[in-house]
Amino acid sequence: NAGVTQTPKFQVLKTGQSMTLQCAQDMNHEYMSWYRQDPGMGLRLIHYSVGAGITDQGEVPNGYNVSRSTTEDFPLRLLSAAPSQTSVYFCASSPGTRSRNEQFFGPGTRLTVL
Amino acid sequence: AQTVTQSQPEMSVQEAETVTLSCTYDTSESDYYLFWYKQPPSRQMILVIRQEAYKQQNATENRFSVNFQKAAKSFSLKISDSQLGDAAMYFCAYNFWGGNKLVFGAGTILRVKS
Repeated sequence: NAGVTQTPKFQVLKTGQSMTLQCAQDMNHEYMSWYRQDPGMGLRLIHYSVGAGITDQGEVPNGYNVSRSTTEDFPLRLLSAAPSQTSVYFCASSPGTRSRNEQFFGPGTRLTVL
Repeated sequence: AQTVTQSQPEMSVQEAETVTLSCTYDTSESDYYLFWYKQPPSRQMILVIRQEAYKQQNATENRFSVNFQKAAKSFSLKISDSQLGDAAMYFCAYNFWGGNKLVFGAGTILRVKS
């Protein structure tokens, strides 16, 4: 299994540009999430999904959109990039069962918005 | 809202010695999970250990163990026989049962001296 994969690994955008961060998992996990990591703040939840067709907002959703058309994929869209969105982005997935609910993380995407 | 606090921004330990990282959390839930994640310079998030709140027995994984004090809402990580490869950022995280939303602390940087 490849686990959770993210592309790209690095990205530089100009203010106002849009882009999509890709996330895929091959573990047949129902739960998927997006987090951002900023210095001194740990990881914060942006959006999450409990299954195909179901998404919800996390702690810091503004400026981001998500969709979940398949179990495997959970892309994150930045509609109009701002310097405040400079961060490291992590996608994660989880089986979502009581006995196994730890999250498995992708390698992250470092995004810089100029 | 749930919060997780890691009061030690940085810790140092001599190789082969033991170190304890602190974590406290706040929640009104009675059934939840707690995790310690390790983030080395590669930035990959690696699950170190997890604890289910309904289990009184402290979790252990090889050289890693926790001291879970439910009444005090405390969840510390003990690393025994520290190795150079243990040097990393360590995050404490909380997830309520059935949830998909990890809440992270700000992290503790662990340095291991040879």
